[in-house]
Amino acid sequence: DAGVTQSPTHLIKTRGQQVTLRCSPKSGHDTVSWYQQALGQGPQFIFQYYEEEERQRGNFPDRFSGHQFPNYSSELNVNALLLGDSALYLCASSDTGAATLSYNSPLHFGNGTRLTVT
Amino acid sequence: GQQVMQIPQYQHVQEGEDFTTYCNSSTTLSNIQWYKQRPGGHPVFLIQLVKSGEVKKQKRLTFQFGEAKKNSSLHITATQTTDVGTYFCAGQGGTDSWGKLQFGAGTQVVVTP
Repeated sequence: DAGVTQSPTHLIKTRGQQVTLRCSPKSGHDTVSWYQQALGQGPQFIFQYYEEEERQRGNFPDRFSGHQFPNYSSELNVNALLLGDSALYLCASSDTGAATLSYNSPLHFGNGTRLTVT
Repeated sequence: GQQVMQIPQYQHVQEGEDFTTYCNSSTTLSNIQWYKQRPGGHPVFLIQLVKSGEVKKQKRLTFQFGEAKKNSSLHITATQTTDVGTYFCAGQGGTDSWGKLQFGAGTQVVVTP
């Protein structure tokens, strides 16, 4: 049973370029969340996708966009890259069906994509 | 907006000693989750607390949710080298922010044999 897989593992881009990161959720999971983790910091919520729509969004500019496909996999796109976008980008999947009004379905994280912007 | 703060930022512990890390939210939480991230790894889910005053134990780890549901703690007894890593709390706000988990900055734990 595969866990959450992300690709690529590492990426080096130049300021101003665009990047696409990919994520396949854990089998049985229908919800994908994306997080940005700077060195020495906690993960920062970018957005969450469910039923191919953005359900929640954090405090990130419109340069950050995403997509979820019918097979629940997801992409994170970042346009006009800035040096400050250098970070570990984590994808986390969960099962919305297992959640209730008070109980969250736990997040299962992938190993992340290390993005370096030069 | 909702903010989650953790203290201490770093914790050096002698093997066998106990320690506690604390998590405080600026707003009342629906629930709180704890994750552990080993060096070079990704966060791994440990536990979720939902009820006011709830206490849960996992072997040497004891998790507590405050009565006002605005703070939480993780207490580790008889620390082992396998406890090395960064521990994050992540708070879930009200229904309007459902799914938007707010992580703290984490407590990095270093264990000295």
